Amino acid sequence: QKEVEQNSGPLSVPEGAIASLNCTYSDRGSQSFFWYRQYSGKSPELIMSIYSNGDKEDGRFTAQLNKASQYVSLLIRDSQPSDSATYLCAVNAVYNQGGKLIFGQGTELSVKP
Amino acid sequence: DVKVTQSSRYLVKRTGEKVFLECVQDMDHENMFWYRQDPGLGLRLIYFSYDVKMKEKGDIPEGYSVSREKKERFSLILESASTNQTSMYLCASSPGQGGNQPQHFGDGTRLSIL
Repeated sequence: QKEVEQNSGPLSVPEGAIASLNCTYSDRGSQSFFWYRQYSGKSPELIMSIYSNGDKEDGRFTAQLNKASQYVSLLIRDSQPSDSATYLCAVNAVYNQGGKLIFGQGTELSVKP
Repeated sequence: DVKVTQSSRYLVKRTGEKVFLECVQDMDHENMFWYRQDPGLGLRLIYFSYDVKMKEKGDIPEGYSVSREKKERFSLILESASTNQTSMYLCASSPGQGGNQPQHFGDGTRLSIL
């Protein structure tokens, strides 16, 4: 079982719709969860951090965390073509030094005008 | 803002050469990382460092070494470059040693080995 799993996509949504990106993780001791956006040919860019159960909102983005179900999601409201990118879920590696993160394979999102 | 600077955006080298990729961060971060990213394989951790002169192997260290002589600089070395090391290389840094902080990435180096 992969440590961090994401739907590979591509996920296609129309402009203005809500895009829902999902991520599950295997280590119950994980405490820190991050979403990165990566445009084609560019490096990953941090868009959300979440540490507690529940929802965290930042503009059009909402991160949701459910530690009991080992599930973290990212909702993008009013999706725009500029949101078309690959979204990476990352989870802290438990019992390690040095801030190691475990990354999912990423979900490719395409927002159609 | 955190600034992670990688020395080259594009690099072309020949098989058998010794290749140095340099990364510098300006936020006094303790942790630094080197990844490679290939289509369909996601981000793969090569090496990381949580302190000066400290290094830990990641998931794919074979064929690579690293150096961290100063806190702000983390170098990736391809001892004898091979064509299967053609890839996008990404450097990242993060603060502290608690593992609860996000990593910040440089722009990446697209390395081609001919």
